Amino acid sequence: KQEVTQIPAALSVPEGENLVLNCSFTDSAIYNLQWFRQDPGKGLTSLLLIQSSQREQTSGRLNASLDKSSGRSTLYIAASQPGDSATYLCAVPGNAGNMLTFGGGTRLMVKP
Amino acid sequence: NAGVTQTPKFRVLKTGQSMTLLCAQDMNHEYMYWYRQDPGMGLRLIHYSVGEGTTAKGEVPDGYNVSRLKKQNFLLGLESAAPSQTSVYFCASSYSPSRFYNEQFFGPGTRLTVL
Repeated sequence: KQEVTQIPAALSVPEGENLVLNCSFTDSAIYNLQWFRQDPGKGLTSLLLIQSSQREQTSGRLNASLDKSSGRSTLYIAASQPGDSATYLCAVPGNAGNMLTFGGGTRLMVKP
Repeated sequence: NAGVTQTPKFRVLKTGQSMTLLCAQDMNHEYMYWYRQDPGMGLRLIHYSVGEGTTAKGEVPDGYNVSRLKKQNFLLGLESAAPSQTSVYFCASSYSPSRFYNEQFFGPGTRLTVL
């Protein structure tokens, strides 16, 4: 059974710092990996999807990498801003209908 | 496009009552999903559908039923609500031309409390 772990569970940084969020998964036979953002009391917003054949995907100040062989993905946030404060979730699809298995999330606080 | 919408946004039920949560998407997606999110448990799949008229069980299906009579709608039913079903429910959809690119889009959620 696929298990997805995110470390750290919470992170607090001053504004302007570059930071890395980690995601690891136990079964490397994945088709893709998706990163989401969730604001308190809100739904999930898709940030990036990396296909298994890709190593990196970029969107603005966000860069996600994927290393299938080691079962890891990282989300790099450059020049963090208070508006980046949210919970970040990673998820990988399984075989059944591409259902997603989620990590527990990293709760990020960027202080002004 | 409205994307994925869910109704209602909030609901309080008494134990034993029934209700239906409605999910609608206007992106012509084939796949639709119902997840629940609980503190310490993360997001878990309840049921999913790979097309109109089809449904399948996910990780935590007990106590729930679903229907996909129209491609754009996916209904989640609770026949006899229990306090253990207090949760935030999310609907999602995806267009699945390929397993390699199957981005899921989520609705805003329904916060359900069962007393």
